[in-house]
Amino acid sequence: NAGVMQNPRHLVRRRGQEARLRCSPMKGHSHVYWYRQLPEEGLKFMVYLQKENIIDESGMPKERFSAEFPKEGPSILRIQQVVRGDSAAYFCASSPLAVQETQYFGPGTRLLVL
Amino acid sequence: GENVEQHPSTLSVQEGDSAVIKCTYSDSASNYFPWYKQELGKRPQLIIDIRSNVGEKKDQRIAVTLNKTAKHFSLHITETQPEDSAVYFCAANGGSQGNLIFGKGTKLSVKP
Repeated sequence: NAGVMQNPRHLVRRRGQEARLRCSPMKGHSHVYWYRQLPEEGLKFMVYLQKENIIDESGMPKERFSAEFPKEGPSILRIQQVVRGDSAAYFCASSPLAVQETQYFGPGTRLLVL
Repeated sequence: GENVEQHPSTLSVQEGDSAVIKCTYSDSASNYFPWYKQELGKRPQLIIDIRSNVGEKKDQRIAVTLNKTAKHFSLHITETQPEDSAVYFCAANGGSQGNLIFGKGTKLSVKP
């Protein structure tokens, strides 16, 4: 049973470009969470999705950021018109259920904006 | 919303000593409290978790205690080893929501 998969592992973008981060949850998991981690800091919740639904996006910036989890395929976190402040590690986690359930983290995507 | 405070931010111990990390939370509706270990450049890995219906849980050298009245929980590592060196994060779920609110982390260094 493969763990949570994320790709790419490293992504370099120039200011103004778009970044697309992908997350495939563990088999049997239907809940996906995205977190952002700045260097030397903790993880900040961004968005929580189930298949075809955004459940909670209270941690996501209102502009330039969007997320989806389609019926088929991975969850995608999209950052449009990236700025240097978007440079961070982006982790996704998955769980079979939402409340009181263990979240398993993927290896992360390290985004560097030049 | 939920707020999680974690102390200390750095902790240095001698190999074989115990290490204790403490966290407090603000939302009395939170009912799930995991602890993650993150090595440099790696993903956070769950090491132990506790749900609000128990006060203590132990797994070999690692234990977690929960005081719901005081809204705090602690991680205890006994007989520390150099490979325990990492950043440890506590977290609490956001009440009825599934997302986790993390503390800022504790950098544990175990000196041989």
